[in-house]
Amino acid sequence: DVKVTQSSRYLVKRTGEKVFLECVQDMDHENMFWYRQDPGLGLRLIYFSYDVKMKEKGDIPEGYSVSREKKERFSLILESASTNQTSMYLCASKETGLGSQPQHFGDGTRLSIL
Amino acid sequence: AQTVTQSQPEMSVQEAETVTLSCTYDTSESNYYLFWYKQPPSRQMILVIRQEAYKQQNATENRFSVNFQKAAKSFSLKISDSQLGDTAMYFCAFMKGANSKLTFGKGITLSVRP
Repeated sequence: DVKVTQSSRYLVKRTGEKVFLECVQDMDHENMFWYRQDPGLGLRLIYFSYDVKMKEKGDIPEGYSVSREKKERFSLILESASTNQTSMYLCASKETGLGSQPQHFGDGTRLSIL
Repeated sequence: AQTVTQSQPEMSVQEAETVTLSCTYDTSESNYYLFWYKQPPSRQMILVIRQEAYKQQNATENRFSVNFQKAAKSFSLKISDSQLGDTAMYFCAFMKGANSKLTFGKGITLSVRP
């Protein structure tokens, strides 16, 4: 089974801090994704990556950046955290080129910015 | 851009009964994939069922089946013999061709009553 591991289930940070959310997958998937999930809004794509050092903006990239130095690891960075970034963050991975193959999700990180 | 609409925010069903969750989408693409994902309370998002747009036959996975109406751009999920463990948030999602980006609906909270 695919395992997608997010480093923290719960995280509390302060406004203005630089925050790192880490995600690791164990299936050698090329594609990795970061979403945020908010009540009534569903999942919205922040950034995704097709390969090491490759990244593309999703639908809501403002205030975020990402890093993919190794294939198995995809990091989401909040450069200067703000209270409107309090949310649930989900990481996912997927094999490339196989359209019907699903994305596999981590458990999520519930991030609170105070 | 693609959009996915789940118009019902909540539904409730009695255990052992059948329930249908609705989803519509908007796209100009001819080749795409549709998914239903399940997110149990405080647990990981998992795939329930998938449908390739080029296949006319509706997908089925045990108690879960879809009614895929391509012309109407409708993709509903039917859960038969509902079980308490089906209580979860359900998301409908769209993926364009071999592109791996998913567009999610806002989700529906399903409660199964004992």
